[in-house]
This record gives sequence, C-alpha cells and structure tokens, in this order.
Amino acid sequence: DIQMTQSPSTLSASVGDRVTITCRASQSISRWLAWYQQKPRRAPKLLIYRTSSLQSGVPSRFSGGGNGTEFTLTISGLQPEDFATYYCQQYNSYCTFGQGTKVEVK
Amino acid sequence: QVQLVQSGAEVKKPGSSVKVSCKASGGTFDSYSLSWVRQAPGQGLEWIGRIIPTVGITNYAQRFQGRVTITADKSTATADMELSNLSSDDTAMYYCATGPDVGFTNSVLMDNWGQGTQVTVSS
Repeated sequence: DIQMTQSPSTLSASVGDRVTITCRASQSISRWLAWYQQKPRRAPKLLIYRTSSLQSGVPSRFSGGGNGTEFTLTISGLQPEDFATYYCQQYNSYCTFGQGTKVEVK
Repeated sequence: QVQLVQSGAEVKKPGSSVKVSCKASGGTFDSYSLSWVRQAPGQGLEWIGRIIPTVGITNYAQRFQGRVTITADKSTATADMELSNLSSDDTAMYYCATGPDVGFTNSVLMDNWGQGTQVTVSS
C-alpha cells in the first residue's frame, strides 16, 4: 500500500501569510495527487486534483505542485475562511490520505 | 451538481452490523464511482472502498476486506455500505463521495461528498 505523510501536523499562521504544506508518498504516484479542505463538522471539499488543477470555484490563492513522491499545497495570502484541516490524497492506486495538517490562528 | 443525501445516525452493539445509505438527488448517479470514507473522532480520513455503479465492480481497502459490502442500485440512485462485526473502533462519521473517471480503473478521486452519517458502537 502507498503511504502518505504530511508535514507539519499543525501550522500556526496569520491572515495574509503565505503557507505551504508538504505531502510525501512512499512510492512514486506520478501526479495523481489531490488536496482536500475540511472544516469542523463538515464533509471534506476537493480543492486541487492532478497535483495542480484547481477544482471549480476554488480561489486562485490555492496552488499545488510536485511530482513523483513530493508535493506541496500553498495558500498565498491566507484568508479567515482558510483556517481548516487539509488532507492530501493519492489516487495512483485507489486511495490513501495523509494524516492531515491543521492550519490554526497564530 | 447532484446532492448526496445519507441516512441518519446509528447506534449499534459490538458484534452487530450497520448499513448506511447514500442517495443521489435527481435520481441518477452522474459520476463514475462512489466511495465510502470514514473519520473517527479527532482523527483523519480513511478510505473504506468504492463501487462503480454502472458495472457493479467493487474495490475495498485491505483492512476492511471480508467485513464490508458496498452495493448500488442504479434504478433508485442509492448506494449502501454494510459493515459487519462492529467494535468500538468503528465509531466514526461515515461519508459517501462520488468522483469522476480519471482515465484508469484503479484510481479514486472524490469531488462530491454526502453530509456524513454518525455511527456509534457501544455496549
């Protein structure tokens, strides 16, 4: 099974900050990587698929990059509504999620 | 986008089974696959398995093999997930989620999620 490891587990930031979350795969997944945002007591929401493609309606301050085993999610200019938990997910071989990164108020 | 509406909360005894339903409003599954994902209290997301409703093919995560059954009825646009031999470790929010065909069969992407169903296992 492919394992996904996110870092950091928690990230403290302020509105306006640029933040980056890293996700590593235990083996190459090409660019079959998605990012989800989850707010408390809500279902996850797809933000990015195929490493860098923005889902419809997702603000352009979200961007993704990487290839193979290392990937990033960057939020450029953090907004109040962006404080949430973010999960990466590989879909090269079915589905595995990272353990999540909570973006909290500094 | 089709709305996925899940069945209500369940409380079950250890050793029993639970069936959670997911209905697509509008009467049709308009996506390639439907998955089930769970989230234990304070924990991350865990993929359980998926079904391709048009052909009835299922794939399950290894740790749930033999204990989970996912079915879909195209005529009612409803999918069910049944999990047996429950223990307290199965206490979680269970989500259904649909996703597109990304071009190869053993991939699972989820772009539309149900509201979640709380399953509590307690004696």
